[in-house]
Amino acid sequence: DADVTQTPRNRITKTGKRIMLECSQTKGHDRMYWYRQDPGLGLRLIYYSFDVKDINKGEISDGYSVSRQAQAKFSLSLESAIPNQTALYFCATSDFVASVGTGELFFGEGSRLTVL
Amino acid sequence: RKEVEQDPGPFNVPEGATVAFNCTYSNSASQSFFWYRQDCRKEPKLLMSVYSSGNEDGRFTAQLNRASQYISLLIRDSKLSDSATYLCVVNGRSWYNQGGKLIFGQGTELSVKP
Repeated sequence: DADVTQTPRNRITKTGKRIMLECSQTKGHDRMYWYRQDPGLGLRLIYYSFDVKDINKGEISDGYSVSRQAQAKFSLSLESAIPNQTALYFCATSDFVASVGTGELFFGEGSRLTVL
Repeated sequence: RKEVEQDPGPFNVPEGATVAFNCTYSNSASQSFFWYRQDCRKEPKLLMSVYSSGNEDGRFTAQLNRASQYISLLIRDSKLSDSATYLCVVNGRSWYNQGGKLIFGQGTELSVKP
C-alpha cells in the first residue's frame, strides 16, 4: 500500500458542486500539504498543516478550504467548484529537518479533477 | 519575474549524452534547494537535495551558485529511463519564517532517445 493515499483519483463534476479530496498517510509525519499542478505552472501550494491544530494558507488558497482530522488525515474541499479549478491535485507529507526546515516531500499519486 | 524559473524544454538528447539543466531563484535568503523528478503526470519524487556547494550521486551532479542565485543539475551518460520532468524546488531561510512557501519551478522536460 502507498504511504500517502489520495481519494478519489479521478473526478468529474459540474460548476457549483462541493467537492472533497481526501488524503491519508502512514508515514507518521506531522506536516501535510495540498498542491495543485497546472501545465506550464508547476506545483503551487494551496494549504499546509504542521500539526493537527495548525492550518496555514499557501499561495492560492482562495476557493479552497481544508480540514486536518487527525495526524494522518488532511482533506481539501472546494465549496463551489469552478472550471478554472480543473487541475491535478497532490497531497504531500514531510518531516521537519532542523538544518534545512522541511525534509523530503512524499507525494500521493494525485487526484485529477475536472470541473465542467 | 517568477520566484523559481526553469527552462521548460523539452530537451531531446541521445542515449549516453550529458545534459545540464539550470534553475534560477529570486529570493537571496533561500537556504534549501532540491531537485525532484516527475514521470508522465505521476507524483514528484525527490531526486537530490542540494546543500552548500553542491553534491553528486552517481551520474547526477547538483551545483549551487549563491552569488548568481542558480542551481544546476548535470546528468551524465543519459539513459532512456532518465526521460522525465525535472523540478527545481527552493525554500526560504526557515520554513516557519517563510510561511511555508516551498516554491516549485515549472519543470524541465527531458526526453532521451535511443
